[in-house]
Amino acid sequence: GAVVSQHPSWVICKSGTSVKIECRSLDFQATTMFWYRQFPKQSLMLMATSNEGSKATYEQGVEKDKFLINHASLTLSTLTVTSAHPEDSSFYICSAQTSGAGDTQYFGPGTRLTVL
Amino acid sequence: RKEVEQDPGPFNVPEGATVAFNCTYSNSASQSFFWYRQDCRKEPKLLMSVYSSGNEDGRFTAQLNRASQYISLLIRDSKLSDSATYLCVAFTGGGNKLTFGTGTQLKVEL
Repeated sequence: GAVVSQHPSWVICKSGTSVKIECRSLDFQATTMFWYRQFPKQSLMLMATSNEGSKATYEQGVEKDKFLINHASLTLSTLTVTSAHPEDSSFYICSAQTSGAGDTQYFGPGTRLTVL
Repeated sequence: RKEVEQDPGPFNVPEGATVAFNCTYSNSASQSFFWYRQDCRKEPKLLMSVYSSGNEDGRFTAQLNRASQYISLLIRDSKLSDSATYLCVAFTGGGNKLTFGTGTQLKVEL
């Protein structure tokens, strides 16, 4: 089956620093990648949709200047949390989709971010 | 109102029990529906798709009622390993996005 990896698995950082999270599709090409955030006891919330080679589409309420997304290749998307603050502490999960809209999304294992 | 609503539980059931979860969705434009399973601190994993005709996969049965905008998941002969959070998910083609419910927590006990 399709495999999606995320790195790092967890990160603890000081307030004000920036953190980059990588999402890779290991055995397929992902034209579209999605970034989600999940706070404790809450549902996954879609943050943004990124298509290879174009700007990401952000969901309402998500600051694009704070959460920078780059999808430079068909197998890699990165999310950078800039100037992280404690309220950004969350579980960040990416998913990757193959060629067609409506195709199955394959989820990465998630990255747990803790900002002190 | 949340787009996908679920009872958060937890549902504590004995091993071998049959348990059912319900979910309602508000966006009538939603085209496809799924149940995902999420273990603590892990990513969600697709359990099964949901069809109007009802579909079964081993001990799991899913059902969709478009008229009522209602989805169900039935688990028969519960195992300890079924303990997890079950997420109801709606797919909307227009936005090409999945919308997740908050999940229903199941704890299967000896």
